Amino acid sequence: AQTVTQSQPEMSVQEAETVTLSCTYDTSESDYYLFWYKQPPSRQMILVIRQEAYKQQNATENRFSVNFQKAAKSFSLKISDSQLGDAAMYFCAYRRNTGNQFYFGTGTSLKVIP
Amino acid sequence: KAGVTQTPRYLIKTRGQQVTLSCSPISGHRSVSWYQQTPGQGLQFLFEYFSETQRNKGNFPGRFSGRQFSNSRSEMNVSTLELGDSALYLCASSSGEVAPLHFGNGTRLAVT
Repeated sequence: AQTVTQSQPEMSVQEAETVTLSCTYDTSESDYYLFWYKQPPSRQMILVIRQEAYKQQNATENRFSVNFQKAAKSFSLKISDSQLGDAAMYFCAYRRNTGNQFYFGTGTSLKVIP
Repeated sequence: KAGVTQTPRYLIKTRGQQVTLSCSPISGHRSVSWYQQTPGQGLQFLFEYFSETQRNKGNFPGRFSGRQFSNSRSEMNVSTLELGDSALYLCASSSGEVAPLHFGNGTRLAVT
């Protein structure tokens, strides 16, 4: 079974600084998708960024970028120029190439210090 | 386009009762998935429906069931509620297998 591990339950970052959230996963498959979701206090999960495993280039969305290391099964999220609105729970998720079942990590709570 | 809508937002039930949660996906999305979120376990997959058929199922007891209607709206039912069923239940829809999930705001269920 696929497992997703987020080893940092909590992280803090100073406003305008950069922070990296870690995620590792376990799979025997070669084709899959990886995601980072953000869950603010409003509870709604919001897609931050996605990465296709067959793409070597790391995905980027504005201030959010990933460091995808396929061999190491690592998928970290870098947030640049952190803003107060970035404070939330961040979940790493894995999805197989077929089927629509997502496997989520236990989340990292990010605090942004003004 | 309206997002994923879940009702009710909050629910309090007593042990042994049953509960039905509702989810309306984004218009045009035919896949609806349900997840249980608890502080200790994170998000756990319950099941996924596509075109009124259950396509995937997680490791939950048979007390948890669901269905999908022809308009893609979905309901989740939990019978014989237990204290451990207290959680945030999230519904998500997607437009296809390679598409990301779009989540609703969830239903917070408290079982007393």
